[in-house]
Amino acid sequence: DGGITQSPKYLFRKEGQNVTLSCEQNLNHDAMYWYRQDPGQGLRLIYYSQIVNDFQKGDIAEGYSVSREKKESFPLTVTSAQKNPTAFYLCASSIDHGETQYFGPGTRLLVL
Amino acid sequence: QKEVEQDPGPLSVPEGAIVSLNCTYSNSAFQYFMWYRQYSRKGPELLMYTYSSGNKEDGRFTAQVDKSSKYISLFIRDSQPSDSATYLCAMKSRNTPLVFGKGTRLSVIA
Repeated sequence: DGGITQSPKYLFRKEGQNVTLSCEQNLNHDAMYWYRQDPGQGLRLIYYSQIVNDFQKGDIAEGYSVSREKKESFPLTVTSAQKNPTAFYLCASSIDHGETQYFGPGTRLLVL
Repeated sequence: QKEVEQDPGPLSVPEGAIVSLNCTYSNSAFQYFMWYRQYSRKGPELLMYTYSSGNKEDGRFTAQVDKSSKYISLFIRDSQPSDSATYLCAMKSRNTPLVFGKGTRLSVIA
């Protein structure tokens, strides 16, 4: 089955801790994206990557970091600098940057 | 003015009703318009994709784009309880990231 997988489904973070959210796709898509969704806020772009070893900041990149070492994988690290990390995190991919995006099932991050 | 405006609802309709969901936007460079459906605690799924102005129909769903008015719509005919979800409009110009509306929460009551 082709698709986008995100893990874990739920993630708990302690104060001062960095956590990493996984996103994998087997669609052979070049572009990948990370969004944050808060209640009533819609989707806000954190980072995106159009090709391997390249990525750009989105609208709310502060407190987050990414890497794109493989075409299939685009992990997101929520650092301790992100003071309000509780949200639903969505990963997406598209054939290239100009095409429609397909989403994974999301990871819900909660702070202990 | 926000780039994309979407009424958050909630919108509640009886089963079988025609539903109209709308977004307005300010950026005249937008060329690609999409509607996503998102069930609670799930990722959004692509429902409709339209390039430039015009109508597109897929089963009970019709997407309309009016670029002169900077206004897009999604119509759902014969609405079903399974249509209860949040509907997100999204749009972009070539080689720029998608810009999303905040989503409209729809409830279809049996």
